[in-house]
Amino acid sequence: DIVMTQSPDSLAVSLGERATINCKSSQSVLYSSDNKNYLAWYQHKPGQPPKLLIYWASARESGVPDRFSGSGSGTDFTLTISSLQAEDVAIYYCQQYYNNPFAFGQGTKLEI
Amino acid sequence: EVQLLESGGGLVQPGGSLRLSCVASGFTFSSYAMGWVRQAPGKGLEWVSVINSIGGTTFYADSVKGRFTISRDNSKNTLYLQMNSLRAEDTALYYCAKGGSSNYSPSDYWGQGTLVTVSS
Repeated sequence: DIVMTQSPDSLAVSLGERATINCKSSQSVLYSSDNKNYLAWYQHKPGQPPKLLIYWASARESGVPDRFSGSGSGTDFTLTISSLQAEDVAIYYCQQYYNNPFAFGQGTKLEI
Repeated sequence: EVQLLESGGGLVQPGGSLRLSCVASGFTFSSYAMGWVRQAPGKGLEWVSVINSIGGTTFYADSVKGRFTISRDNSKNTLYLQMNSLRAEDTALYYCAKGGSSNYSPSDYWGQGTLVTVSS
């Protein structure tokens, strides 16, 4: 099974500053046949369902602000929020959908 | 507008059974994979299961394999999760989530969740 490990577990960033969250998979999630990384990022706020932010490691979901970006390939990935806003306070999760079971990382709590 | 409405949660004793349902609207249900994700109290998200668009391929987390069964009725736009031999550690908020054209896709829409509590 692929294990997803995020770092850090929690992060405090000032408003307007950059936030960076890392995700490492125990094996590559890059599928050679289509050259896509089967990696997604979600934002989860209390009392709400999770929200898809990024898929294929770097494709932004429709409606997601462009301050959110995803990068990386193979086993190492990063979610970057370029200028933190108050509404970005949440827990962020990466998930691989390359191989069953489609594991999530443990989550990163982002605070102001 | 895509909507996913879960139901069927509740309090059940250890060893008991429960069937969750998720009624979908706002998209062509029969064209998309669907899945379940849960969150235990104070814990992170845990992927549970996924089923492809026609119901022929299913995947499960090791923690529920052999106890849970995912299914769908495309004529009713409804996804199900039959949960048997329930344990205390199955206590969680269960989310229904819409996937893509195959099981190997992210979840782009989620329901509000239904709470399952396993306790004597």
